[in-house]
Amino acid sequence: DTGVSQDPRHKITKRGQNVTFRCDPISEHNRLYWYRQTLGQGPEFLTYFQNEAQLEKSRLLSDRFSAERPKGSFSTLEIQRTEQGDSAMYLCASRGGGSTDTQYFGPGTRLTVL
Amino acid sequence: TQLLEQSPQFLSIQEGENLTVYCNSSSVFSSLQWYRQEPGEGPVLLVTVVTGGEVKKLKRLTFQFGDARKDSSLHITAAQPGDTGLYLCAGATLVDFGNEKLTFGTGTRLTIIP
Repeated sequence: DTGVSQDPRHKITKRGQNVTFRCDPISEHNRLYWYRQTLGQGPEFLTYFQNEAQLEKSRLLSDRFSAERPKGSFSTLEIQRTEQGDSAMYLCASRGGGSTDTQYFGPGTRLTVL
Repeated sequence: TQLLEQSPQFLSIQEGENLTVYCNSSSVFSSLQWYRQEPGEGPVLLVTVVTGGEVKKLKRLTFQFGDARKDSSLHITAAQPGDTGLYLCAGATLVDFGNEKLTFGTGTRLTIIP
């Protein structure tokens, strides 16, 4: 399978715990995006990487959230001191280098904070 | 803030009927994409429309981009139960560093009754 993969697919945690999600993009894609989707809503942009550089962060990305893409391949999204409001589907997407290329989404990680 | 409004939010129709979903905005987009999302999965790209007035057909699905590139519609002919899902439109805006910012609509949840 050469699509975007995410791990884990589901995560249940208690409030106050830290969680980390991983995204493996399509191998030749240098651009990587993280989104958050709550129930009944469309995805909302969180952050964007071009290669290993994090070039944009949404105001939705509070200081409890941190994302990395250390070698310009896979990316991780960490949430510290989780809150119940963090419960959502976290989606990763990757995109090629052309200006007309589109984003391809992974299956998402469903986070439930108890 | 760019907003994309989709209508209707929910649609439940009988197999064999036709339907149209609308995606409207006051903003101009460089392209507009339609995705379908199944429960617990990430959005899957159906089509990208780029040129104002463009019409694309994908089997029984017809996508149209408005002349002013602010709105779009998705028409499904002879709907089948396999068409059931959440349909999302997303407007793309090219920003700095080769970033494409996607603004998603709120989604249309379509149910086709056999």
